[in-house]
Amino acid sequence: GENVEQHPSTLSVQEGDSAVIKCTYSDSASNYFPWYKQELGKGPQLIIDIRSNVGEKKDQRIAVTLNKTAKHFSLHITETQPEDSAVYFCAARRNSGYSTLTFGKGTMLLVSP
Amino acid sequence: DTAVSQTPKYLVTQMGNDKSIKCEQNLGHDTMYWYKQDSKKFLKIMFSYNNKELIINETVPNRFSPKSPDKAHLNLHINSLELGDSAVYFCASSQGPTANYGYTFGSGTRLTVV
Repeated sequence: GENVEQHPSTLSVQEGDSAVIKCTYSDSASNYFPWYKQELGKGPQLIIDIRSNVGEKKDQRIAVTLNKTAKHFSLHITETQPEDSAVYFCAARRNSGYSTLTFGKGTMLLVSP
Repeated sequence: DTAVSQTPKYLVTQMGNDKSIKCEQNLGHDTMYWYKQDSKKFLKIMFSYNNKELIINETVPNRFSPKSPDKAHLNLHINSLELGDSAVYFCASSQGPTANYGYTFGSGTRLTVV
């Protein structure tokens, strides 16, 4: 089955800095890669996703890049703000049959004012 | 106007008891899921239902029995609760079992077995 590795497990930045979280996946048939943000006491919330037919996607301060050859994808957050502090999860899914999202182990991002 | 709602939010119970968690979605999605999040925040799929039919059943003890009375509801019943069952259980839904769209998660049920 799919295996998703996520790094780092914790990331501390100063407000205004950029943050980068990296994930690798094992199944070359995976073609959908979403990112989720989980705030304390809440469920994960989809913040951005990318499909394997594109290499980069941007939405305001967040962007995701995908390298299919190397089987890795990254989340980039620019101009970080304290409210960006949360646990971020990457995930991957293969487009065949009934498969579900496989999640990375999460990155706790702390943005200090 | 909650999209995916779970009840209860907190559940504290003794070992050996039986308990149920309920989930409802008003998004019109066809597919629903149960995920377990352990103390290290790892999210692991347990079950998936599509239009009331079980389509994915990961290696979960048979003390866990999901039920979907209709495509908007997915419940989870747990028999003979054990200490290791303590976790946060998330319900989620998506447009379909093969569509590449994100999942919408509920806010979770924190189960504590004492």
